[in-house]
Amino acid sequence: SQQGEEDPQALSIQEGENATMNCSYKTSINNLQWYRQNSGRGLVHLILIRSNEREKHSGRLRVTLDTSKKSSSLLITASRAADTASYFCATEGGSNYKLTFGKGTLLTVNP
Amino acid sequence: DAGVTQSPTHLIKTRGQHVTLRCSPISGHKSVSWYQQVLGQGPQFIFQYYEKEERGRGNFPDRFSARQFPNYSSELNVNALLLGDSALYLCASSPHSNQPQHFGDGTRLSIL
Repeated sequence: SQQGEEDPQALSIQEGENATMNCSYKTSINNLQWYRQNSGRGLVHLILIRSNEREKHSGRLRVTLDTSKKSSSLLITASRAADTASYFCATEGGSNYKLTFGKGTLLTVNP
Repeated sequence: DAGVTQSPTHLIKTRGQHVTLRCSPISGHKSVSWYQQVLGQGPQFIFQYYEKEERGRGNFPDRFSARQFPNYSSELNVNALLLGDSALYLCASSPHSNQPQHFGDGTRLSIL
């Protein structure tokens, strides 16, 4: 079953604009991770935020985590056409390495 | 360093057949996980192995099985294939918990 739910399901923006995607989850977590997937290929890891962290940056990416609301957001600043992809949040909880994914947000950046 | 490698990249089978998918983790990674991704959905957890032992199993029927070898590579086996088994099968490796998982490009399995 899917734990995370991304919002929106699809997002279309112009190059240079910022893109914000949200993720909600249901159970307690050890960490939350964001992945990118191009055209049904393998997933590329973007950023991991642990349950005791509130915000993390990596290049043009900014991730926030609110464990009280069980939600996270991914912000991509100054988007590029190459950012066009599906973005998934995934939670890791408990004593194993299992990732539970949401259904993803399809981001389209128009040149 | 080589990333996670999976073989084959594409596979076409018919209903009732069986299939074996293979995965080589990143060097030094002892954990391997398998995921199934149906078109339009996020990946669903199938199995996780760590140090050659099964650490977790998702909600999949017994037709699905896996194992991990002494060199930490892994195989996923699916018997009595059904049309609904058509999906992208992803393998991921990780050194241990609370670390990013690194995914291969997947095996695209089509059942006719």
